[in-house]
Amino acid sequence: LAKTTQPISMDSYEGQEVNITCSHNNIATNDYITWYQQFPSQGPRFIIQGYKTKVTNEVASLFIPADRKSSTLSLPRVSLSDTAVYYCLVALVPDKLIFGTGTRLQVFP
Amino acid sequence: DTAVSQTPKYLVTQMGNDKSIKCEQNLGHDTMYWYKQDSKKFLKIMFSYNNKELIINETVPNRFSPKSPDKAHLNLHINSLELGDSAVYFCASSLGGTESYEQYFGPGTRLTVT
Repeated sequence: LAKTTQPISMDSYEGQEVNITCSHNNIATNDYITWYQQFPSQGPRFIIQGYKTKVTNEVASLFIPADRKSSTLSLPRVSLSDTAVYYCLVALVPDKLIFGTGTRLQVFP
Repeated sequence: DTAVSQTPKYLVTQMGNDKSIKCEQNLGHDTMYWYKQDSKKFLKIMFSYNNKELIINETVPNRFSPKSPDKAHLNLHINSLELGDSAVYFCASSLGGTESYEQYFGPGTRLTVT
């Protein structure tokens, strides 16, 4: 199973773009890359999923280079409400999702 | 309407007791899951279940058992509770196939074993 490495924490200010990079050097050919967000005392919330290149939705963008050994979650113009823990996961099948320690993002006014 | 709901939200009990946590989803999803988040905030999958197959994480003690009365419900039964079972338990659900990576989580049940 692919292991992921993310920064433990990041700080930002409102209105800035935040990029969180995840390393997954031993990602398998058929693994998907998924990002979740978790607020205190709540369950994780799905943000975005991708396999290669770039994926964009109304919340974020996911950039995946050709070798797929890393991925970057991009949050445009963050607000205070984006303060949360962000998890990067890679898995072939959904019931093999492994949540790591995540990245704790703190957004300041 | 709450998509994935769990009851109770808080559960305090003594070692050795047997308890259950209920989970219901109204999304029409095919697959449901149970996760455990410990005090260090590590979130680990315990079970995944659809109407055909139960997949158990091999690290889960057999004191834990999921019970699914129907497609919309997946309850978690825990026998002979131990101190180490104290954690937040999350239920989740998803569609099948590649859409299963988009899982919808419940609010969690904080279990405290004394």
